[in-house]
Amino acid sequence: EVLLVQSGAEVKKPGESLKISCKGSGDSFTTTWIGWVRRQPGKGLEWMGIIWPDDSDTRYNPSFQGQVAISADRSINTVYLQWSSLKAADSGMYFCARRDASGSYLDSWGQGTQVTVSS
Amino acid sequence: SYELTQPPSVSVSPGQTASISCSGDKLENKWASWYQQKPGQPPVVVIYQDKKRPSGIPERFSGSNSGNTATLTISGTQPMDEADYFCQAWDSSSAVFGGGTKLTVL
Repeated sequence: EVLLVQSGAEVKKPGESLKISCKGSGDSFTTTWIGWVRRQPGKGLEWMGIIWPDDSDTRYNPSFQGQVAISADRSINTVYLQWSSLKAADSGMYFCARRDASGSYLDSWGQGTQVTVSS
Repeated sequence: SYELTQPPSVSVSPGQTASISCSGDKLENKWASWYQQKPGQPPVVVIYQDKKRPSGIPERFSGSNSGNTATLTISGTQPMDEADYFCQAWDSSSAVFGGGTKLTVL
């Protein structure tokens, strides 16, 4: 089983940059799809995008394309979600999640990273 | 883009059966999954591949998928089952989530 551990909560000001991380355990981490999901108060789960850490092949939800960047460092089993200029509307809880080997569901989730953007 | 529709809320009395629907075009041609999320916690998969239960998920959780509708059924609902539930399917490499259903046990 892959265990996903995310970086801690962040409080930022509008316009600042941010990079949060998701570190996985296990030999198969780099050859499995890792996605990012957002949950904001009063809203549901939103799919942001997914990456294959072994070659950094990345697919974005069009709604988030250009708003965030997903990257990976295979040498340390870590996937990242990055913003270059945060907005208040980016506040929320962000989860990384692993797509299982059959490709049919998200079988492991990180604990979540709370991002608060406020002046 | 593909869309999944869920009722915003479902209420059930303890010990009764709760059913949560998830509608999408030809959903039966896709694998449907269901996730339970409680406040402050990450989602947990309770049903995958339409009707399979991961280890550790109680037998009272079951799923089906036919036509345009997938259904999560909780038999003998317990107070601990109160949570938000999300259905999910894949549209190519993108996960698609339903809007979520708040299950209230009262």
